[in-house]
Amino acid sequence: SYELTQPPSVSVSPGQTARITCSGDALPKQYAYWYQQKPGLAPVLIIYKDSERPSGIPERFSGSSSGTIVTLTISGVQAEDEADYYCQSADSSGTYVVFGGGTKLTVL
Amino acid sequence: QVQLQESGPGLVKPSQTLSLTCTVSDGSITSGDYFWTWIRQHPGKGLEWIGYIYHSGTTYYNPSLKSQVSISVDTSKNQFSLSLSSVTAADTAVYFCARATPGPSFDLWGQGTLVTVSS
Repeated sequence: SYELTQPPSVSVSPGQTARITCSGDALPKQYAYWYQQKPGLAPVLIIYKDSERPSGIPERFSGSSSGTIVTLTISGVQAEDEADYYCQSADSSGTYVVFGGGTKLTVL
Repeated sequence: QVQLQESGPGLVKPSQTLSLTCTVSDGSITSGDYFWTWIRQHPGKGLEWIGYIYHSGTTYYNPSLKSQVSISVDTSKNQFSLSLSSVTAADTAVYFCARATPGPSFDLWGQGTLVTVSS
């Protein structure tokens, strides 16, 4: 079955830049999406179509894509950004959804 | 603003069927090009897509769960439902309903409901 691979954890100091990667064979053909999830809450969509930001999402969140890897970048990390981040995409047919395993971002 | 709310038993016995309903409020389940979705999250783990349904009744399921899962829609009640049969402790999870936009991506989520499978 198709998988998306993320690092389990990323740590960064406040004000620094955090980068979270997500790799998958179908990513050149399918868009990637990113979600932020804080404890006890539902995930929130923060990046869609690789690099677009929904309204209300701070500009410090950005996304990029290169081949089989997509990257979520958080510039000027703030304490409130500490959360789990999930990438999501679809298989090559575009029908079946897959999530990455999630990355826990720790703000030191 | 459209809202989603899950409802159903919080405790299910092993081998029984888990049944949950998601009510869509402040908007019609038939409007727009949306797929209505179930996603679960095992305790302390990541997100797992279960499947989704279009208001016409077309469904797509996670292949790993396909033998257990059925998703249905009731447009008259503005609801969609999940049935998961023959549950075991491994089906203990928080179950979210969500709205999928073309992509697909999930732009709207319910708050989630914890379902525990235990005798």
